Order: sequence, then C-alpha cells, then structure tokens
Amino acid sequence: QVQLQESGPGLVKPSETLSLTCTVSGGSISTFYWGWIRQPPGKGLEWLGHMFYTGTTNYNPSLKSRVSIFVDTAKSQFSLELTSVTAADTAVYYCARFNENLRDAFDIWGQGTLVTVSA
Amino acid sequence: DIQMTQSPSSLSASVGDRVTITCRASQSISSYLNWYQHKPGKAPKLLIFAASSLQSGVPLRFSGSGSGTDFTLTISALQPEDFATYYCQQGFSSPLTFGGGTKVEIK
Repeated sequence: QVQLQESGPGLVKPSETLSLTCTVSGGSISTFYWGWIRQPPGKGLEWLGHMFYTGTTNYNPSLKSRVSIFVDTAKSQFSLELTSVTAADTAVYYCARFNENLRDAFDIWGQGTLVTVSA
Repeated sequence: DIQMTQSPSSLSASVGDRVTITCRASQSISSYLNWYQHKPGKAPKLLIFAASSLQSGVPLRFSGSGSGTDFTLTISALQPEDFATYYCQQGFSSPLTFGGGTKVEIK
C-alpha cells in the first residue's frame, strides 16, 4: 500500500529556510494531491498547503508567501519550503495524501518529523 | 476561516465504555467533516470521512454523524488501543482547519 516518509534537517536557524521532502512509495504520485500539516509542541494540527502533481497549489493564507510545495514526479517525491522561519515554526511536520474523493480528507500520513528552529 | 471547536478537550473512560466526542463548525460545512485518531509518535489515522463514512479498515465500533455545523464521533465500546487524541477537520473551504483535539485517557 501507499506509504509516505518525511526527511530533512531536524534543526534550522532563525530567518533561514526550512526544507523537507516526502517520499511516496507503493503507489503513483501522479494521481492525487499531496500536502503538509504541522503540529507545534503541545498544540493542535495546522494545514500548511497541498499540491496536485500538475502544479496546482492551495496554501494556508496565514503563512502568507512563506510556504511553497513542489512535486518531483520522476522521484515520487514532494517537498515543502518555509522561508524566514522563527521559533514559532518549531513543530512536527507531517506529509499526507489529500483525497478529494473522501470529502477532502488526508487519508495517508507519514510518521512526521520534528523540526526545531533555534540558533 | 472556519473555526472547528471540539468538546470535551479531554475525557477519562474505561474499556467497554461508550464515548462521544463533538465537533462544532463556526459555519455550515455540509458533510465535509473528517475524523482522525492520533497516537504519540505515530502517523494520524483517518477514521471517518464525509461525516459518517467509515474509512476502509477502521473497526465498526467507530461511527460518525451530523451535518451542517454539529458533528459527533462515537466509539461504541472503547478498546485499549483506542486511547489516543481525536481530531476533526473540515474540508469545506480553504484554509482547511482542524479542531483542537480530544484526548481520550484511561480511567
């Protein structure tokens, strides 16, 4: 079955760019939307955005223009970039498959990766 | 943005208990409501989509109901593996938003 695995640095300095990659295995990336959700320590889940493999994107306006999602169909990967990070961006970051057929639910998730923003 | 309010924020229950969690949307979201189970260190798991449809592989003791602004997740007979945090999520409009979570603990 389809599995997702996040990868990337666990520590990012303030004002720098957070970059994470999610590898999709067991299925095609060229069928669904793919997205990112995060959970700051002790807080709830926050949707960051999602992207169709063709390039159509939908981002959370609260992040203004700091967030970007890219898809590399050749590598079956999609990536998150979050610029100008602060301590408030410290969180566990999850990649997930966004399924419009299930009333816009995230039906498959990665295990999550903790990213700490600190000097 | 559509605000999703869950209640209670936590509850204590025993194995075998019937558990009900509610989720209220700040405006009507039709049936664009999904429920997830989240255990520490694990990937969140989709339980219910479209307010009342059971995701494949999810035990029948889980059920969902509601439409418009008020929704309910029910666990008919709590099992040891059900102790977790549960989140609702609306897919009606962007930005997609989640409820604050309900932590189900062992009594």
